[in-house]
Amino acid sequence: EAQVTQNPRYLITVTGKKLTVTCSQNMNHEYMSWYRQDPGLGLRQIYYSMNVEVTDKGDVPEGYKVSRKEKRNFPLILESPSPNQTSLYFCASSYGQGGEQYFGPGTRLTVT
Amino acid sequence: DQQVKQNSPSLSVQEGRISILNCDYTNSMFDYFLWYKKYPAEGPTFLISISSIKDKNEDGRFTVFLNKSAKHLSLHIVPSQPGDSAVYFCAAISSGTYKYIFGTGTRLKVLA
Repeated sequence: EAQVTQNPRYLITVTGKKLTVTCSQNMNHEYMSWYRQDPGLGLRQIYYSMNVEVTDKGDVPEGYKVSRKEKRNFPLILESPSPNQTSLYFCASSYGQGGEQYFGPGTRLTVT
Repeated sequence: DQQVKQNSPSLSVQEGRISILNCDYTNSMFDYFLWYKKYPAEGPTFLISISSIKDKNEDGRFTVFLNKSAKHLSLHIVPSQPGDSAVYFCAAISSGTYKYIFGTGTRLKVLA
């Protein structure tokens, strides 16, 4: 089954404790992206990757890091999480630029 | 500055009637537009898209209209069904970039 998986689905952590949210897709997609969803703000792009070892900032990259060492994986790293990063996070992938994106089920992160 | 706007946070429609969801954009460089549907506790799923070289695209009960001069697109759902109740996001992208810009979403409720 074609899918995008994210782990964990739920995470509660404390300020400053480094965390990683994993994302994996099994569709051989070149393009992958991370979004956060906040009430009243919709989906905002954090980082995206056009291919292995090629990444770039989206609209809200501050406080986040990403890496793309393999085509299927695109982890999101929060080196020092803060309460304003409490949000619902989605990973997405597509065949290329402009194509329909397939989204993961989301990761709800709470930073206290 | 919100480049993609969905000015109606919510919409209620009777089953069997038409649902019209609207989206406005400000960036004239956008040349591809997409609609996504999102159920609670799930990731967004792709619904329908349209290129800027077209003014209409139809897929079953779903039709997207694009008015480039007005920088406006709309999603028509006919007939509306209770299972269509969800949050709908419009998104835009311009050729040569890899950034998707999403609207804030419209919550559609179809009343049985």
